[in-house]
Amino acid sequence: QQPVQSPQAVILREGEDAVINCSSSKALYSVHWYRQKHGEAPVFLMILLKGGEQKGHDKISASFNEKKQQSSLYLTASQLSYSGTYFCGTERKYGNKLVFGAGTILRVKS
Amino acid sequence: DTAVSQTPKYLVTQMGNDKSIKCEQNLGHDTMYWYKQDSKKFLKIMFSYNNKELIINETVPNRFSPKSPDKAHLNLHINSLELGDSAVYFCASSQDRSAGNTIYFGEGSWLTVV
Repeated sequence: QQPVQSPQAVILREGEDAVINCSSSKALYSVHWYRQKHGEAPVFLMILLKGGEQKGHDKISASFNEKKQQSSLYLTASQLSYSGTYFCGTERKYGNKLVFGAGTILRVKS
Repeated sequence: DTAVSQTPKYLVTQMGNDKSIKCEQNLGHDTMYWYKQDSKKFLKIMFSYNNKELIINETVPNRFSPKSPDKAHLNLHINSLELGDSAVYFCASSQDRSAGNTIYFGEGSWLTVV
């Protein structure tokens, strides 16, 4: 079952912050975040496993609320290079397939 | 060194033709995948192989046939191509089929059926 991402698209100015949400109606084992630039392959950002952990590197971080089956990706002080489509992928159980959401288009303007 | 490489990158072909896309990974991973990304950017899994064994086979027309000669290679053969097959096909791999593994994508193969 495909996770639901919101918003569908967001436009920011450099330096602004953004939050992208990913939710599922089913219990999740893990949430994966990827970024895809136009004409390129999706690139891995981070994985969050059930347990409600939060991860981050540089100015991009994410959280996973196991009770709500929801993950959020936080982009702070956005840069032009952050532009792209962000996908969350969810796994419902150990060894199961990764199902991607429809994506969130992020555009950072100077 | 490209971790997951697929060929060809671009393919334009006529309806009814048969074509293949090849994929190789040099990461030593056990699990490989084929994903399809349509014009709306929806990324959907098609097949997954673990050590040459088919483990995921989504609802895909049987005109699509994956083949894994060894765990480093996963090819996709498509028979009787249709206009709706036009998409970007991504090969990918992960360490194994365990949950929580990073999936590494190839650069994609842009298939256009005319």
